[in-house]
Amino acid sequence: DQQVKQNSPSLSVQEGRISILNCDYTNSMFDYFLWYKKYPAEGPTFLISISSIKDKNEDGRFTVFLNKSAKHLSLHIVPSQPGDSAVYFCAASADSGAGSYQLTFGKGTKLSVIP
Amino acid sequence: GAGVSQSPSNKVTEKGKDVELRCDPISGHTALYWYRQSLGQGLEFLIYFQGNSAPDKSGLPSDRFSAERTGGSVSTLTIQRTQQEDSAVYLCASSHPPSRVYTYNEQFFGPGTRLTVL
Repeated sequence: DQQVKQNSPSLSVQEGRISILNCDYTNSMFDYFLWYKKYPAEGPTFLISISSIKDKNEDGRFTVFLNKSAKHLSLHIVPSQPGDSAVYFCAASADSGAGSYQLTFGKGTKLSVIP
Repeated sequence: GAGVSQSPSNKVTEKGKDVELRCDPISGHTALYWYRQSLGQGLEFLIYFQGNSAPDKSGLPSDRFSAERTGGSVSTLTIQRTQQEDSAVYLCASSHPPSRVYTYNEQFFGPGTRLTVL
């Protein structure tokens, strides 16, 4: 069963508009959430994160919102730029008991920003 | 280099052969993770090393998979008797160890090794 779900495999947005990427999770033990961005033939790069004790974290054009009761988080990018075109992965973390804080990833959403 | 490096970048092998994939983490990062991404899937956790502690092997899909980390730095992931379903991109990540200061550390990923089993 998939513990982290990104239900939209792709999203197209006009340059300058807002991009909203969504993520749902099922495991209530997750207490830290991250967004990674991935370009083809490269490894994922960290974008922004949020702890479960917060409901919003902002970094420049990127804002992550967390709704714990709904087990839902979203990434807002505003304004969207063509360079933002990439695959975005939602990831969640909880202490495995072995202290590993391994990440559980969604399948990703491919964002295309149209000039 | 400042980032995580992996080799080879691509590996094509025949079913039944053994393969070794290498990861060089960022200097000073004591935590090292292996993940794999199969086609159309998210990244799947395989194994975690932290310093000299026993590794967390809970994500390894079968006993054909094993990994070592020598000297607390370089890691090798070995897949024995490869099967076609092992075809995937294998990603290595490193981070600072979980601690009071670095409780949830950003994991830095390498570019991955694309494994194709024919």
